[in-house]
Amino acid sequence: QQQVKQSPQSLIVQKGGISIINCAYENTAFDYFPWYQQFPGKGPALLIAIRPDVSEKKEGRFTISFNKSAKQFSLHIMDSQPGDSATYFCAGSGGSNYKLTFGKGTLLTVNP
Amino acid sequence: NAGVTQTPKFRILKIGQSMTLQCAQDMNHNYMYWYRQDPGMGLKLIYYSVGAGITDKGEVPNGYNVSRSTTEDFPLRLELAAPSQTSVYFCASSVIGTRRTQYFGPGTRLLVL
Repeated sequence: QQQVKQSPQSLIVQKGGISIINCAYENTAFDYFPWYQQFPGKGPALLIAIRPDVSEKKEGRFTISFNKSAKQFSLHIMDSQPGDSATYFCAGSGGSNYKLTFGKGTLLTVNP
Repeated sequence: NAGVTQTPKFRILKIGQSMTLQCAQDMNHNYMYWYRQDPGMGLKLIYYSVGAGITDKGEVPNGYNVSRSTTEDFPLRLELAAPSQTSVYFCASSVIGTRRTQYFGPGTRLLVL
């Protein structure tokens, strides 16, 4: 049973545009929602994370929007750049063992 | 700090062979994890450890074993390799606390033929 559903699978955006990736979770015990960025041939790296006590978190061009009642959260990349081209994973976590449940990933391509 | 290191970077195994994927971290993190990544499938947790001597199964543990004798090292053992174990394997670690950032290694690409 997939506990974090991520869409779209792939996304092509023009330079300067807005990239939006959506995730939905099922486990109401989740209380931490990170986004990871992965470049080809590299391991994933934390990009930004949010907890359910806030509805939005912004770090530079990256914003997470969180809707607790709908059990959904999304990543917005403003002014997308070719260097943002990567695979993005959303995840959820809850409990003391800090396990992450990942979505299947979104391959973002930003065209120059 | 080197962070999380993994060896080897790439390996070809024949069906039925065994091997150990090495993982080490120098950040004094208590929590360590092994994931496998298959195209379009995200990252699946194989095993994890909350400290030396303590390990537990993740989502896809069949065909794998782990041990954690020290805080720094968390090797993953593949017994009787099968083509279904062809994947990219990532090790990660995290620290106890309110921040749950997992730091990933560079990965090991494994091909089972």
